[in-house]
This record gives sequence, structure tokens and C-alpha cells, in this order.
Amino acid sequence: GAVVSQHPSWVICKSGTSVKIECRSLDFQATTMFWYRQFPKQSLMLMATSNEGSKATYEQGVEKDKFLINHASLTLSTLTVTSAHPEDSSFYICSATSGSRYEQYFGPGTRLTVT
Amino acid sequence: RKEVEQDPGPFNVPEGATVAFNCTYSNSASQSFFWYRQDCRKEPKLLMSVYSSGNEDGRFTAQLNRASQYISLLIRDSKLSDSATYLCVATYNNNDMRFGAGTRLTVKP
Repeated sequence: GAVVSQHPSWVICKSGTSVKIECRSLDFQATTMFWYRQFPKQSLMLMATSNEGSKATYEQGVEKDKFLINHASLTLSTLTVTSAHPEDSSFYICSATSGSRYEQYFGPGTRLTVT
Repeated sequence: RKEVEQDPGPFNVPEGATVAFNCTYSNSASQSFFWYRQDCRKEPKLLMSVYSSGNEDGRFTAQLNRASQYISLLIRDSKLSDSATYLCVATYNNNDMRFGAGTRLTVKP
């Protein structure tokens, strides 16, 4: 199946700093990428949907100025958590689709811990 | 009300047991349905799609009841390696996936 990578796989940062997470589709062109967040023992929650070359669409309750998403190419999307706080500590997972209906390929996730 | 609801479990079953998970979804416009498996601290991985006609893949059987907005997953002859969290997913608007909170399964020797 298609491969999606994320970098870094885990990161620890201090409160107030910004963290960038990369999501790459390695063997296909991703027309759409999705960013999810998962807190312990909870469901994956969709944060935003990004299409290459256009602004991301954020879900209700997700601050676009805090979670900056850039989808500059068909193989790369980045999520930047700005001015991170301990409550932003979570498991961030991206997924990508090549346009085939309903078929999303998930990255391995990035575990963010803000101290 | 959550869009996709699952019994969180945990389900603790012995090897060889048959276990069933249930899931309901609230959006009648949902178009496609899936079961994903998620291991601890890992990304979810597609287990199988769910159809009204039923879908069987080895020891796994998934069923969809659109009228009741109900999805099920049956695992027969449980293996230790089946221990994981099983996520129910309803999709609408092509790519908008809504996940349930997951049902945790532990298969014990």
C-alpha cells in the first residue's frame, strides 16, 4: 500500500515554543492531506483538511492561528503548533489521499509532549 | 451526541473466543464505513470495509445496517495478536472520516 511518513516521530518542547511536524507521501501524490489529533484513550479528531496549493479547512474549535498548516507540494504538508502549551500534548497523525474516494493512508504519528 | 459511538470496553477474552463489537453512527448521510485497528501508540490501520451485504475476511466479519445506522465487527477464534483497539469509522463527503473512540480488546492465553 501507499506510504506516508511523519517527522519527527516524537518531540518534547518547552511551553511557548513552536513545533513543526512534517507529513510526506513517499510513493504517491497526495491531493489532500488530513491532520488528526488523538488524546489518550480518545478517538482521532480531525483538525483540518488541506489541499495542495490552497488554504486548509479547519474543523470547528480548532484555532487556525495556533495550528498552522502548509501544503506546498503534492508530497508534503506541515503542521506547526505555535506557542505550544502542555494541553497541546497529544498524538498528531496525518493522512493522505490521492483522490481515490474513501482511501486514506495514515502516517505513523508524532507524539508531542509540551513541558 | 458523538457522531460515531462505540462501546469502549475493555473486552478481555480468552484465546479462541468469539467477540463482537458494535458501533452506531448519527449522520444518515454517511456513505462508507470501515473498521480500523490501532495498536498502542501507533497509527490506525485499515482492517476492513463494511457493506450492507456483509464482508468477511478470514476470522473477521463486518456488517452494516443502514436502517438502524449500526455497524458490527465479529472476530472468531481470537488470537493473542488480535489485542488492539478497534475503531469504527463513518465517512461522508467523500473523504471526511469520523472515528469512534475505539473498543479495546485484550485476548489472553
